Amino acid sequence: EAAVTQSPRNKVAVTGGKVTLSCNQTNNHNNMYWYRQDTGHGLRLIHYSYGAGSTEKGDIPDGYKASRPSQENFSLILELATPSQTSVYFCASGDDRGTEVFFGKGTRLTVV
Amino acid sequence: GQQVQQSPASLVLQEGENAELQCNFSTSLNSMQWFYQRPGGSLVSLFYNPSGTKHSGRLTSTTVIKERRSSLHISSSQTTDSGTYLCALDGNSNNRIFFGDGTQLVVKP
Repeated sequence: EAAVTQSPRNKVAVTGGKVTLSCNQTNNHNNMYWYRQDTGHGLRLIHYSYGAGSTEKGDIPDGYKASRPSQENFSLILELATPSQTSVYFCASGDDRGTEVFFGKGTRLTVV
Repeated sequence: GQQVQQSPASLVLQEGENAELQCNFSTSLNSMQWFYQRPGGSLVSLFYNPSGTKHSGRLTSTTVIKERRSSLHISSSQTTDSGTYLCALDGNSNNRIFFGDGTQLVVKP
């Protein structure tokens, strides 16, 4: 069964601190995505990846870095967290043929 | 400009009424997918439907590529259908996925 697992599910961070959100997929998909979801903005793409070693900027990459060390893992890194990055973050994976995309359950991040 | 436009932005129904949700896209299509999300919940895939019509219980999805639109029909709505419905488009370039802003559905008893 297709699976995308995010960790942690909830995180409270202090302003200026470093935060790493992790995502693991067992679908053997080449493509992985990080979105944030805020009221009034829907889902916005932060970074995405075509495969191990690749990261691409999405629509709102500022303040975020991404890392794809392997096919299975895709991390989102906030080097200096700010309160404006308080949001729900979703990771997803999909293959190159444009078939179904699978989402993780989300990570609720609060920066205080 | 926005690649995917959803309408209506919000919809309130009485239980038992039908709903028609629309998704229009401005780019060429590789795939189209409809998702359901409860408040604070994760995204659940309803349909992967790049073309044609698919049925699942009270739900029907129809994608017409040449008209650049996809619809989601909910028949005999129930209070448990309340939530947000999102369409997502995988365009032909770069494997990027574009989301609409969603339709907020409320079904009243």
